[in-house]
Amino acid sequence: NAGVTQTPKFRVLKTGQSMTLLCAQDMNHEYMYWYRQDPGMGLRLIHYSVGEGTTAKGEVPDGYNVSRLKKQNFLLGLESAAPSQTSVYFCASSLLAGGRDTQYFGPGTRLTVL
Amino acid sequence: SQQGEEDPQALSIQEGENATMNCSYKTSINNLQWYRQNSGRGLVHLILIRSNEREKHSGRLRVTLDTSKKSSSLLITASRAADTASYFCAYGRVSGTASKLTFGTGTRLQVTL
Repeated sequence: NAGVTQTPKFRVLKTGQSMTLLCAQDMNHEYMYWYRQDPGMGLRLIHYSVGEGTTAKGEVPDGYNVSRLKKQNFLLGLESAAPSQTSVYFCASSLLAGGRDTQYFGPGTRLTVL
Repeated sequence: SQQGEEDPQALSIQEGENATMNCSYKTSINNLQWYRQNSGRGLVHLILIRSNEREKHSGRLRVTLDTSKKSSSLLITASRAADTASYFCAYGRVSGTASKLTFGTGTRLQVTL
């Protein structure tokens, strides 16, 4: 039982490049989330999904897109990376809705945009 | 911002001492949770306390919740070097069909030998 896994662990991009972060969970959770963590800011919700085929905007969605084609996977895309997107990105999942339940986190992806 | 605020931002204690961290929030909540994050790792859930509960224990952890003051505290008793980490509170809100967890800014705990 791997829990929540994220790929890749580290990435360096140049401004304007694109990339996709992959999150996978093996707990059969309905709800999945993408957060970014910046120094002194805690975690901020980017996008989330309440089930396969659904996505919704969180607190800081601009510059990101997501897809949930399969229940176990949640992809985060950056179409045209900017230095302001340098951050650590965490994926999480939960059995019940986000505000009602424990969330299980992946190990994070450290992204640097030059 | 709706983020929770934690106090202190940083705390340094010696092994064996107790550590207390506080969290304040601004809205009505469904529950309040505490997470730990070791350096360079993901967050790990520690404890969840529901809005109708006032105190909860788990091993060396004690959490209190005062909904009238919109605040919570996390007490770690008899701290160990392995408790060195950042600790985050997160409160769950349910509004209409939306249900979200909002995280605080964290407390960095350093436990020295």
